[in-house]
Amino acid sequence: QVQLQESGPGLVKPSETLSLACSVSGDSISYSFWSWIRQPAGKGLEWIGRIFSSGNTNYSPSLKSRVTMSIDTSKNQFSLKLNSVTAADTAVYYCARLIAVVPADIPEYWYFDLWGRGTLVIVSS
Amino acid sequence: SSELTQDPAVSVALGQTVRITCQGDILRSYYASWYQQKPGQAPVVVIHGKNNRPAGIPDRFSGSSSGNTASLTITGAQAEDEADYYCNSRDISGNHVDSVFGGGTKLTVL
Repeated sequence: QVQLQESGPGLVKPSETLSLACSVSGDSISYSFWSWIRQPAGKGLEWIGRIFSSGNTNYSPSLKSRVTMSIDTSKNQFSLKLNSVTAADTAVYYCARLIAVVPADIPEYWYFDLWGRGTLVIVSS
Repeated sequence: SSELTQDPAVSVALGQTVRITCQGDILRSYYASWYQQKPGQAPVVVIHGKNNRPAGIPDRFSGSSSGNTASLTITGAQAEDEADYYCNSRDISGNHVDSVFGGGTKLTVL
């Protein structure tokens, strides 16, 4: 049974860098896409970006200038860094496995099949 | 970046059928996926692609798509289906690869 677990500080000061890690157990992190998704309290989901096991990344255009994702296959974990945070970055942060499906005759589509339980990060001084 | 639009709230009587919709131009190009989220829990995928249910998802959940609209149908809604539902799709805008969520629909089972 594959499980994902987020970890990292629950409180970050404004203008500093939010750093989270997602540990994957029950399967290898290799040959898969992995994503970060966040959700402010009472609001909807926002995709932050994805990373492949090779280290290739894609980031949400709205967050691209502040986001860095990395992956450590030896530790079976991947990480998120979001710099210059403000109160607007306060949210529950989820890590998830992204499945890219390539049907025979239609464009590739994605879905998130496994999620961590989420970790609340509050940005406050 | 593109947008996906969902009705904020929908209600259904116990045992009846409800359709939750998601509209956006990117749905003309890419299939949506649907997520159920209960309070305090992580989202769970219930439908992906044309109409694929992951293992463990009841067959009362089904998906469909037409033009710019994706739909999630619950046939014979149960009390445990009361939750927030989000649609999601990938997108490519310019040279940017993106993934977009709808704003979510709160389903109430009466």
